[in-house]
Amino acid sequence: GDSVTQMEGPVTLSEEAFLTINCTYTATGYPSLFWYVQYPGEGLQLLLKATKADDKGSNKGFEATYRKETTSFHLEKGSVQVSDSAVYFCALQRYAGNMLTFGGGTRLMVKP
Amino acid sequence: DVKVTQSSRYLVKRTGEKVFLECVQDMDHENMFWYRQDPGLGLRLIYFSYDVKMKEKGDIPEGYSVSREKKERFSLILESASTNQTSMYLCASSPNTGTEAFFGQGTRLTVV
Repeated sequence: GDSVTQMEGPVTLSEEAFLTINCTYTATGYPSLFWYVQYPGEGLQLLLKATKADDKGSNKGFEATYRKETTSFHLEKGSVQVSDSAVYFCALQRYAGNMLTFGGGTRLMVKP
Repeated sequence: DVKVTQSSRYLVKRTGEKVFLECVQDMDHENMFWYRQDPGLGLRLIYFSYDVKMKEKGDIPEGYSVSREKKERFSLILESASTNQTSMYLCASSPNTGTEAFFGQGTRLTVV
């Protein structure tokens, strides 16, 4: 079946550091890929998405590129802020409207 | 803005009780989902529904049931609550043609 693997946390960085959170997936066909973010005490919000190979999703300074050849969708940000502290989830979806399959989540802590 | 509302943020129930978690969405979405979130395990799908009165089992349906009598409302039922069902429960909805799922703020359930 489908699965998503992402790096375990917590990831602790200083403000303005470079962020990478690795995500790889296993799925048949050509799923859509997502990064969701969960701030403390809140539900999940969509951060960015990519629906086909080589697409780059971007939002709020975060980026991720859909790499079919390596089945990866790594999240990056050039300069993190304290306000980026949250739990980040990588997910895939086989087709529109279908269920999401999530990775285990990675907690990011950014120190001033 | 799409809104997914879960009826309670926090619940404490006793072992053996029948528990109802309610979720309402206001965007006429066809698809609704119940996930369970546990540290290190990410989100796991319990049940989902693609239409009124229709339901499908997800990855971990044991001990749960659902009800969807109206398009906007999707209820999760714990038939006889047990301590291993202590968790965060997240409801989500999505349209048939869209790739984004919208999440409620979650219900943190403690079974004592």
